[in-house]
Amino acid sequence: EADIYQTPRYLVIGTGKKITLECSQTMGHDKMYWYQQDPGMELHLIHYSYGVNSTEKGDLSSESTVSRIRTEHFPLTLESARPSHTSQYLCASSDSRLDVQFFGPGTRLTVL
Amino acid sequence: GQSLEQPSEVTAVEGAIVQINCTYQTSGFYGLSWYQQHDGGAPTFLSYNALDGLEETGRFSSFLSRSDSYGYLLLQELQMKDSASYFCAVRGGGYNKLIFGAGTRLAVHP
Repeated sequence: EADIYQTPRYLVIGTGKKITLECSQTMGHDKMYWYQQDPGMELHLIHYSYGVNSTEKGDLSSESTVSRIRTEHFPLTLESARPSHTSQYLCASSDSRLDVQFFGPGTRLTVL
Repeated sequence: GQSLEQPSEVTAVEGAIVQINCTYQTSGFYGLSWYQQHDGGAPTFLSYNALDGLEETGRFSSFLSRSDSYGYLLLQELQMKDSASYFCAVRGGGYNKLIFGAGTRLAVHP
């Protein structure tokens, strides 16, 4: 079944740790995105990719980095987690219709 | 730049009709999208308008007026499960990504 997956769903980690949030999609989409969203607040684009080896920073400044080595995989890495990184991270993908995005279930990150 | 405005909260009763408005500013325009997000969940795509007029999908309809830079989402026969946040979105930043509004929180009461 075509879908978009994120792991872990929940993560509690200490300050200074390196973490990688995984995102995979089986829909064959070229375009993938990472958003950051605090509870009840708006979505902020932090990274996007239009294909393999293509990544761009989004509108919200983020200390995270991304890579796109395979079409279906778009991991996000935080080299040194801080309490200010506590948030929900949503991964999405789309085909040529940029306005129709499919979201994964999200990773709720808490940094102590 | 691009910006979108939508009400922060709307309240309605079961069975009623509610309209969520969205005004936008963008240097170029491709279309207006709507997404629904339940608490703790992920956004899901609802509708997309590229041309003026009304698009209907079951109980939900979306309207666009490009001359007024305005659109709305119309929800009919409201059900409790419609309680959620609703986001409008337009392309921005070179038209290669979506810019989302701040979201409208809809509360449906019995």
